[in-house]
Amino acid sequence: KAGVTQTPRYLIKTRGQQVTLSCSPISGHRSVSWYQQTPGQGLQFLFEYFSETQRNKGNFPGRFSGRQFSNSRSEMNVSTLELGDSALYLCASSLLMRTALLGTETQYFGPGTRLLVL
Amino acid sequence: SQQGEEDPQALSIQEGENATMNCSYKTSINNLQWYRQNSGRGLVHLILIRSNEREKHSGRLRVTLDTSKKSSSLLITASRAADTASYFCATARFGGSEKLVFGKGTKLTVNP
Repeated sequence: KAGVTQTPRYLIKTRGQQVTLSCSPISGHRSVSWYQQTPGQGLQFLFEYFSETQRNKGNFPGRFSGRQFSNSRSEMNVSTLELGDSALYLCASSLLMRTALLGTETQYFGPGTRLLVL
Repeated sequence: SQQGEEDPQALSIQEGENATMNCSYKTSINNLQWYRQNSGRGLVHLILIRSNEREKHSGRLRVTLDTSKKSSSLLITASRAADTASYFCATARFGGSEKLVFGKGTKLTVNP
């Protein structure tokens, strides 16, 4: 079974531009989460989607948005890029078969998209 | 905000030695997971331990969880140069969210 794939792998943008990153989860996985990793802040949760609905959102400005399609593929968009948005953006998918009470499943991460904002 | 705090921040050992990394967290959890990351790449899931478990093994990995102290440890036995990576603990809470809260990680270097 193919793992989580993310495209593009590397991206260079300039301040003020916008960017769209894509994530394809493992086949059959319905939950997709996004994380930002920087040397200063570490790994921080951006948002989580399940069945095309955003279920949870981290503490990021509105410039960060995302969506999920009916095939569970997800995209995240960052508008009006700032230098501080330079980071590794990681996507993770999970099966999410359990009920809400039982908590999270193991999450499988993609290789990430490294974004550099100049 | 970071939930888990790994200790030490960096660890350098010789091949064949054991490596122990610790993680502390602040709030009640559903489970705690350990991940490995090689050189800025994606995270690889190592092991998940639920809040009602105290110890779990997977190959050369041994994880313990002490919910009374809000801490966990990851032991890698008979380390190899290929174990060189950053190791992160991540906590998951009850409530149906897949959100993981990560610590800042321990950078492990295994010297051949």
